[in-house]
Amino acid sequence: NAGVTQTPKFRVLKTGQSMTLLCAQDMNHEYMYWYRQDPGMGLRLIHYSVGEGTTAKGEVPDGYNVSRLKKQNFLLGLESAAPSQTSVYFCASSKGQGRADTQYFGPGTRLTVL
Amino acid sequence: KQEVTQIPAALSVPEGENLVLNCSFTDSAIYNLQWFRQDPGKGLTSLLLIQSSQREQTSGRLNASLDKSSGRSTLYIAASQPGDSATYLCAVPATSGTYKYIFGTGTRLKVLA
Repeated sequence: NAGVTQTPKFRVLKTGQSMTLLCAQDMNHEYMYWYRQDPGMGLRLIHYSVGEGTTAKGEVPDGYNVSRLKKQNFLLGLESAAPSQTSVYFCASSKGQGRADTQYFGPGTRLTVL
Repeated sequence: KQEVTQIPAALSVPEGENLVLNCSFTDSAIYNLQWFRQDPGKGLTSLLLIQSSQREQTSGRLNASLDKSSGRSTLYIAASQPGDSATYLCAVPATSGTYKYIFGTGTRLKVLA
């Protein structure tokens, strides 16, 4: 069981470039999440999905798009990267068990936008 | 709007000491609270989850308590070890019944050998 994996681990972009971050989970979880972590700001939810084919906005969705075409994968896209999107991005997944739901996190992707 | 606060932001203790980390939240209508550990450059690892109907949860040397009425949770670490050095974060649902979680900014713990 690999758990939650993220690709790539590191990336440097120039302003205006686009990229896609891939999250994969092998635990058959229904729910998946994308967070960003910035110093002094904690983790903030970007987008999330409650099942294959569904997506919803989180706390800071602007400048990002997501897709969940397969249950095990959750993609985060940046269409036109900006320096404000420099951050560490974490993907997480959970079973969707209501009050007993626990989130499992990936190792993170460190993105720098110049 | 739910807000989560963790004080102190950083803590250093000698090995063997028992310690308490604090988490405060503004909206008491939560259905659970989670504590996570994050090692430098790594993702988060779930430590304990307390459901709203519970007062505490224990795992090994860790004990987490929840007082919804006062908007507080504590994480108690017994007999601390250098391997416990990490950042500890708590998280609660944004509003009751949603799966959007609000995270505190964490307490960075250093246990000195």
